[in-house]
Amino acid sequence: KQEVTQIPAALSVPEGENLVLNCSFTDSAIYNLQWFRQDPGKGLTSLLLIQSSQREQTSGRLNASLDKSSGRSTLYIAASQPGDSATYLCAVLPSNFGNEKLTFGTGTRLTIIP
Amino acid sequence: NAGVTQTPKFQVLKTGQSMTLQCAQDMNHNSMYWYRQDPGMGLRLIYYSASEGTTDKGEVPNGYNVSRLNKREFSLRLESAAPSQTSVYFCASYWNGYTFGSGTRLTVV
Repeated sequence: KQEVTQIPAALSVPEGENLVLNCSFTDSAIYNLQWFRQDPGKGLTSLLLIQSSQREQTSGRLNASLDKSSGRSTLYIAASQPGDSATYLCAVLPSNFGNEKLTFGTGTRLTIIP
Repeated sequence: NAGVTQTPKFQVLKTGQSMTLQCAQDMNHNSMYWYRQDPGMGLRLIYYSASEGTTDKGEVPNGYNVSRLNKREFSLRLESAAPSQTSVYFCASYWNGYTFGSGTRLTVV
Protein backbone atom coordinates (compact mmCIF):
# COMPACT_ATOMS: atom_id res chain seq x y z
CA LYS A 1 0.00 0.00 0.00
CA GLN A 2 1.34 3.38 -0.98
CA GLU A 3 2.25 5.68 1.89
CA VAL A 4 3.03 9.35 1.46
CA THR A 5 4.86 11.30 4.14
CA GLN A 6 5.46 15.01 4.43
CA ILE A 7 8.01 16.36 6.85
CA PRO A 8 7.92 18.72 8.64
CA ALA A 9 4.26 18.91 9.61
CA ALA A 10 4.63 22.64 10.22
CA LEU A 11 7.18 25.25 9.18
CA SER A 12 7.56 28.96 9.96
CA VAL A 13 9.99 31.14 8.04
CA PRO A 14 10.55 34.92 7.69
CA GLU A 15 9.27 36.63 4.59
CA GLY A 16 11.70 36.67 1.68
CA GLU A 17 13.40 33.38 2.45
CA ASN A 18 13.60 30.50 0.03
CA LEU A 19 12.24 27.23 1.38
CA VAL A 20 11.84 23.56 0.53
CA LEU A 21 8.95 21.28 1.39
CA ASN A 22 9.50 17.54 1.29
CA CYS A 23 7.35 14.64 0.19
CA SER A 24 8.33 10.98 0.24
CA PHE A 25 6.44 7.94 -1.02
CA THR A 26 7.01 4.23 -0.55
CA ASP A 27 5.98 2.79 -3.94
CA SER A 28 7.86 4.16 -6.92
CA ALA A 29 5.26 2.82 -9.41
CA ILE A 30 3.56 6.16 -9.83
CA TYR A 31 1.99 7.81 -12.85
CA ASN A 32 2.29 11.35 -11.59
CA LEU A 33 2.69 13.46 -8.47
CA GLN A 34 0.68 16.58 -7.76
CA TRP A 35 1.28 19.42 -5.30
CA PHE A 36 -1.69 21.31 -3.86
CA ARG A 37 -2.17 24.19 -1.49
CA GLN A 38 -5.09 24.48 0.87
CA ASP A 39 -6.04 27.69 2.63
CA PRO A 40 -7.96 27.39 5.92
CA GLY A 41 -11.58 26.44 5.31
CA LYS A 42 -11.04 26.22 1.57
CA GLY A 43 -10.63 23.58 -1.09
CA LEU A 44 -7.46 22.28 -2.70
CA THR A 45 -5.79 24.31 -5.40
CA SER A 46 -3.46 22.49 -7.76
CA LEU A 47 0.01 24.02 -7.93
CA LEU A 48 2.11 21.68 -10.02
CA LEU A 49 1.75 18.29 -11.68
CA ILE A 50 4.83 16.20 -12.45
CA GLN A 51 4.53 13.19 -14.71
CA SER A 52 6.61 10.15 -13.76
CA SER A 53 8.85 10.70 -16.79
CA GLN A 54 9.66 14.27 -15.74
CA ARG A 55 12.26 15.51 -13.27
CA GLU A 56 10.77 18.89 -12.46
CA GLN A 57 8.07 21.44 -13.16
CA THR A 58 8.11 25.18 -12.63
CA SER A 59 5.41 27.78 -12.18
CA GLY A 60 6.42 31.28 -11.20
CA ARG A 61 8.23 31.15 -7.85
CA LEU A 62 7.44 27.45 -7.44
CA ASN A 63 9.59 24.55 -8.58
CA ALA A 64 8.75 20.92 -7.93
CA SER A 65 11.20 18.09 -8.46
CA LEU A 66 10.66 14.36 -8.63
CA ASP A 67 13.10 11.54 -7.97
CA LYS A 68 10.95 8.49 -8.55
CA SER A 69 13.67 5.94 -7.85
CA SER A 70 14.27 7.30 -4.36
CA GLY A 71 10.58 8.02 -3.74
CA ARG A 72 10.99 11.74 -3.14
CA SER A 73 9.64 15.04 -4.33
CA THR A 74 10.44 18.56 -3.19
CA LEU A 75 8.54 21.81 -3.61
CA TYR A 76 10.82 24.83 -3.70
CA ILE A 77 9.31 28.23 -2.99
CA ALA A 78 11.48 31.21 -3.83
CA ALA A 79 11.29 34.61 -2.13
CA SER A 80 8.45 33.59 0.17
CA GLN A 81 5.56 35.99 0.82
CA PRO A 82 2.89 36.11 3.56
CA GLY A 83 0.34 35.05 0.91
CA ASP A 84 2.18 31.74 0.62
CA SER A 85 0.97 30.80 4.10
CA ALA A 86 -1.18 27.70 3.68
CA THR A 87 -1.08 23.94 4.01
CA TYR A 88 0.77 22.21 1.20
CA LEU A 89 -0.19 18.69 0.22
CA CYS A 90 1.48 16.28 -2.13
CA ALA A 91 -0.39 13.38 -3.69
CA VAL A 92 0.69 10.49 -5.89
CA LEU A 93 -1.28 8.63 -8.53
CA PRO A 94 -0.46 4.94 -9.09
CA SER A 95 0.73 3.80 -12.48
CA ASN A 96 -1.96 1.15 -12.98
CA PHE A 97 -4.59 2.74 -15.20
CA GLY A 98 -8.22 2.34 -14.23
CA ASN A 99 -7.28 2.93 -10.63
CA GLU A 100 -6.86 6.67 -10.64
CA LYS A 101 -6.97 7.16 -6.91
CA LEU A 102 -4.65 9.63 -5.29
CA THR A 103 -2.80 8.90 -2.11
CA PHE A 104 -2.28 12.09 -0.13
CA GLY A 105 0.34 13.11 2.34
CA THR A 106 -0.84 14.70 5.57
CA GLY A 107 0.55 18.07 4.58
CA THR A 108 2.97 20.75 5.73
CA ARG A 109 1.45 23.84 7.33
CA LEU A 110 3.54 26.78 6.18
CA THR A 111 3.54 30.15 7.92
CA ILE A 112 5.43 33.07 6.41
CA ILE A 113 6.27 35.67 9.04
CA PRO A 114 6.08 39.29 7.77
CA ASN B 1 -15.16 27.91 -16.65
CA ALA B 2 -16.45 26.86 -13.20
CA GLY B 3 -14.44 23.61 -12.83
CA VAL B 4 -15.94 21.49 -10.04
CA THR B 5 -18.99 22.88 -8.25
CA GLN B 6 -20.27 21.48 -4.96
CA THR B 7 -23.52 22.25 -3.18
CA PRO B 8 -24.31 23.00 -0.44
CA LYS B 9 -21.25 24.68 1.11
CA PHE B 10 -22.46 24.16 4.68
CA GLN B 11 -25.01 21.82 6.23
CA VAL B 12 -26.10 20.83 9.72
CA LEU B 13 -28.01 17.57 10.11
CA LYS B 14 -29.55 15.78 13.03
CA THR B 15 -28.54 12.19 13.64
CA GLY B 16 -30.61 9.91 11.44
CA GLN B 17 -31.47 12.51 8.82
CA SER B 18 -30.56 11.97 5.20
CA MET B 19 -29.11 14.29 2.61
CA THR B 20 -27.43 14.35 -0.78
CA LEU B 21 -24.29 16.28 -1.59
CA GLN B 22 -24.21 17.44 -5.16
CA CYS B 23 -21.18 17.72 -7.42
CA ALA B 24 -20.91 18.80 -11.05
CA GLN B 25 -17.94 19.37 -13.33
CA ASP B 26 -17.86 21.15 -16.66
CA MET B 27 -14.51 19.88 -17.93
CA ASN B 28 -15.80 16.72 -19.62
CA HIS B 29 -13.71 14.53 -17.29
CA ASN B 30 -14.48 10.83 -17.10
CA SER B 31 -13.31 10.19 -13.54
CA MET B 32 -14.91 11.72 -10.46
CA TYR B 33 -14.26 11.22 -6.75
CA TRP B 34 -15.61 11.92 -3.29
CA TYR B 35 -13.18 12.49 -0.43
CA ARG B 36 -13.63 13.40 3.19
CA GLN B 37 -11.10 15.40 5.17
CA ASP B 38 -10.77 15.11 8.92
CA PRO B 39 -8.20 16.66 11.26
CA GLY B 40 -5.24 14.35 11.69
CA MET B 41 -6.60 11.86 9.14
CA GLY B 42 -5.90 13.69 5.93
CA LEU B 43 -7.99 13.10 2.83
CA ARG B 44 -9.66 9.72 2.49
CA LEU B 45 -11.45 8.40 -0.56
CA ILE B 46 -15.10 7.49 -0.07
CA TYR B 47 -16.23 6.48 -3.56
CA TYR B 48 -15.11 7.07 -7.08
CA SER B 49 -16.48 6.75 -10.59
CA ALA B 50 -14.06 5.95 -13.39
CA SER B 51 -16.66 6.67 -16.05
CA GLU B 52 -20.35 7.36 -16.50
CA GLY B 53 -22.37 4.42 -15.23
CA THR B 54 -19.67 2.94 -12.98
CA THR B 55 -18.92 3.47 -9.31
CA ASP B 56 -16.52 1.81 -6.88
CA LYS B 57 -15.81 1.90 -3.18
CA GLY B 58 -12.85 3.72 -1.81
CA GLU B 59 -11.21 3.53 1.58
CA VAL B 60 -14.17 4.60 3.76
CA PRO B 61 -17.47 3.81 1.95
CA ASN B 62 -19.60 2.67 4.90
CA GLY B 63 -22.65 4.86 5.49
CA TYR B 64 -22.55 6.42 2.02
CA ASN B 65 -24.01 5.80 -1.39
CA VAL B 66 -23.22 7.49 -4.70
CA SER B 67 -24.83 8.06 -8.05
CA ARG B 68 -23.10 8.98 -11.27
CA LEU B 69 -26.11 10.62 -12.86
CA ASN B 70 -24.32 11.50 -16.09
CA LYS B 71 -20.83 12.48 -17.13
CA ARG B 72 -21.09 15.84 -15.37
CA GLU B 73 -22.70 14.92 -12.07
CA PHE B 74 -21.65 12.68 -9.18
CA SER B 75 -23.71 12.81 -6.00
CA LEU B 76 -23.00 11.48 -2.51
CA ARG B 77 -25.87 10.41 -0.28
CA LEU B 78 -25.96 9.90 3.46
CA GLU B 79 -29.00 7.76 4.21
CA SER B 80 -28.90 8.02 8.00
CA ALA B 81 -26.39 10.57 9.17
CA ALA B 82 -24.19 9.83 12.20
CA PRO B 83 -21.95 12.19 14.21
CA SER B 84 -18.93 10.27 12.85
CA GLN B 85 -19.80 11.66 9.43
CA THR B 86 -19.12 15.20 10.56
CA SER B 87 -16.41 16.23 8.14
CA VAL B 88 -15.50 18.33 5.15
CA TYR B 89 -16.41 16.62 1.90
CA PHE B 90 -14.61 17.27 -1.36
CA CYS B 91 -15.59 16.27 -4.84
CA ALA B 92 -12.92 16.04 -7.51
CA SER B 93 -12.53 15.13 -11.15
CA TYR B 94 -9.49 13.87 -13.01
CA TRP B 95 -7.89 14.34 -16.37
CA ASN B 96 -4.12 14.66 -16.32
CA GLY B 97 -4.33 16.00 -12.80
CA TYR B 98 -7.00 16.44 -10.18
CA THR B 99 -9.36 19.40 -9.87
CA PHE B 100 -11.17 19.80 -6.56
CA GLY B 101 -14.36 21.54 -5.60
CA SER B 102 -14.47 24.01 -2.74
CA GLY B 103 -15.98 21.52 -0.30
CA THR B 104 -19.07 20.94 1.82
CA ARG B 105 -18.70 21.38 5.56
CA LEU B 106 -21.13 18.94 7.20
CA THR B 107 -21.95 18.81 10.88
CA VAL B 108 -24.09 16.00 12.30
CA VAL B 109 -25.48 16.68 15.76
